[in-house]
Amino acid sequence: NAGVMQNPRHLVRRRGQEARLRCSPMKGHSHVYWYRQLPEEGLKFMVYLQKENIIDESGMPKERFSAEFPKEGPSILRIQQVVRGDSAAYFCASSRRDEAFFGQGTRLTVV
Amino acid sequence: GNSVTQMEGPVTLSEEAFLTINCTYTATGYPSLFWYVQYPGEGLQLLLKATKADDKGSNKGFEATYRKETTSFHLEKGSVQVSDSAVYFCALSDQSFGNEKLTFGTGTRLTIIP
Repeated sequence: NAGVMQNPRHLVRRRGQEARLRCSPMKGHSHVYWYRQLPEEGLKFMVYLQKENIIDESGMPKERFSAEFPKEGPSILRIQQVVRGDSAAYFCASSRRDEAFFGQGTRLTVV
Repeated sequence: GNSVTQMEGPVTLSEEAFLTINCTYTATGYPSLFWYVQYPGEGLQLLLKATKADDKGSNKGFEATYRKETTSFHLEKGSVQVSDSAVYFCALSDQSFGNEKLTFGTGTRLTIIP
C-alpha cells in the first residue's frame, strides 16, 4: 500500500527555468495539499486541490506558481522562471478524515 | 487567523532525560491539534493528535494533552532515546470549510546525546 509519492526527490534548476513537481496521493485519497518548507522554518500551506478543482489557493504566490490535479495522473506544482528564493523543500500531503499523510518531499535548488 | 507558537530550539538532552516541547495556538472555532516528527531528509510523520478539549494523544511514549483553557498542546516524553533525535512540529487544523489544511509552528530540533 504505497504512501504519498513525490518525484523527483531532488531537483536543480537554473534561474529562469521551469520546475515541475509531481505528487501522487495515497490510494483512495482525492484531496491533495502542497506545502513549502524554507530552510530552518516550518511548513507553509500553499494550495489545496481536489480532482480537477482548486479549492483553496490562499497560500500560493500570485505570480509564477500554479498547481493542478487532473482527473488522471498526479498533481503537479509548477514554478515558472524560478529564482533563488524558490529554493526550498516542497511537500505534498493527502488526507483522509482528520489525518494528513505526507510525501518525502522534493528539494528544489535554484542555482 | 490561525497561528501556532512553538518552543524554539535547538534542544539538546541526554538519553533518558525528560522532554517537554511547548506549543500554544490561536484559532477560530475548535481546531484539531497535531504533533509531527521529521527525521533528516524525510517527510513529516504524524506522531500524535487530539481532536477536542481534554483529549490526550499518545504514541511511542510521547504524550500531549489538548488544553483549551490555556490554548496549549505541549509534547512530553518521560525518557528520551537517541533515536528520538529529529525536528518536531506542532500543528493545527480548523477544518472550518471542510478544508484540512494545517498551520504549523516553526519546529523544534531535538538532539539526544548518549
